Amino acid sequence: EPEVTQTPSHQVTQMGQEVILRCVPISNHLYFYWYRQILGQKVEFLVSFYNNEISEKSEIFDDQFSVERPDGSNFTLKIRSTKLEDSAMYFCARSSARLAGGPGTDTQYFGPGTRLTVL
Amino acid sequence: AQKVTQAQTEISVVEKEDVTLDCVYETRDTTYYLFWYKQPPSGELVFLIRRNSFDEQNEISGRYSWNFQKSTSSFNFTITASQVVDSAVYFCALSDGFGNEKLTFGTGTRLTIIP
Repeated sequence: EPEVTQTPSHQVTQMGQEVILRCVPISNHLYFYWYRQILGQKVEFLVSFYNNEISEKSEIFDDQFSVERPDGSNFTLKIRSTKLEDSAMYFCARSSARLAGGPGTDTQYFGPGTRLTVL
Repeated sequence: AQKVTQAQTEISVVEKEDVTLDCVYETRDTTYYLFWYKQPPSGELVFLIRRNSFDEQNEISGRYSWNFQKSTSSFNFTITASQVVDSAVYFCALSDGFGNEKLTFGTGTRLTIIP
């Protein structure tokens, strides 16, 4: 199954700066997710996005975070004012659309990740 | 709340040995999905398997096999005849039953295969 691509692969920024991480689906999927993994720790859910709306978000996903799909293809995660503790690997994932009238489908396939370093 | 426990933080085995990675989960849902992902040193997350809560059949794929037991809330992963390329961090994950929902990950098990 094709995954997604993510840009940039590595982003270094100063504390307090805004960053935008991008996820580009290879095919036209409807479900998107952002997860993060602080170095050496487990993968944590941030937000899910369906049909151009947030469907669920975690406690981590506070007002500093936002997501959008501005042009119908790229899916972006914005961090408005980065903190040192935002340093992590950020993964975008996608899954297939939910089957109408049936159970939810599906497997989440992950992109290669963006390593964010906040100095 | 959902929870996934991978009690084995690190495991080292000599090449060609078999190894089992444990995963215990907690959920109040009657319908749910379980997953295993592999994270090699390069850092990406590679999907290995998905199993829904109504399917307790064990699954084998080449050298990989999975043992799902609802009675003990476990979904263990065995690698037979391990190879150096199996060295990675392996994550077990859980999502609730409606699909396309968030994944709750365990803390991962770092597997090192010694040549």
